[in-house]
Amino acid sequence: NAGVTQTPKFQVLKTGQSMTLQCAQDMNHEYMSWYRQDPGMGLRLIHYSVGAGITDQGEVPNGYNVSRSTTEDFPLRLLSAAPSQTSVYFCASSYAAAGAYNEQFFGPGTRLTVL
Amino acid sequence: DQQVKQNSPSLSVQEGRISILNCDYTNSMFDYFLWYKKYPAEGPTFLISISSIKDKNEDGRFTVFLNKSAKHLSLHIVPSQPGDSAVYFCAAYKGAQKLVFGQGTRLTINP
Repeated sequence: NAGVTQTPKFQVLKTGQSMTLQCAQDMNHEYMSWYRQDPGMGLRLIHYSVGAGITDQGEVPNGYNVSRSTTEDFPLRLLSAAPSQTSVYFCASSYAAAGAYNEQFFGPGTRLTVL
Repeated sequence: DQQVKQNSPSLSVQEGRISILNCDYTNSMFDYFLWYKKYPAEGPTFLISISSIKDKNEDGRFTVFLNKSAKHLSLHIVPSQPGDSAVYFCAAYKGAQKLVFGQGTRLTINP
């Protein structure tokens, strides 16, 4: 049981480049989410999904796209990277989609630098 | 607008003593609170949680207290151990789908 996995661990992009951060979980969790962590800001929710085919915006969604075609995978796309997107990105998942409060399990993170 | 605030960026405690980490929130719609612990280069891991209908929850060395009237919660660690050195995040659920985090407090346990 690998839990939540994220690839890559590190990435350097140039301004304007695009890339996809991968996230997968093997716990059959309905709920998945993406956060970014910046110094002094804690973790901020970017996008989340309550099940395959269903996604919604979080606190800081601009510049990011997501899709959820399977229960296991929840990729985060940066269409045109900007230096302001330099951050550490965490993917998380939990059992219930709605109506119940559950702990979220986090992946190890992806450290992204945009030059 | 920081809805969940951890006003102490860092805290240093001697091994064996009590560590108290504090968290304040502004949104009265928050009704479930969690504490996460994070080591460097790892993702946060869940520590303990509390529902707004309770004022205390205990799990081993960890106890969370909630004061709804003051919109304040605290995490007590007794006794503190060197392995407790980490960054601690307070978080609150807005509805059942959006988790809002505080800025984090770096706890250092000194031998």
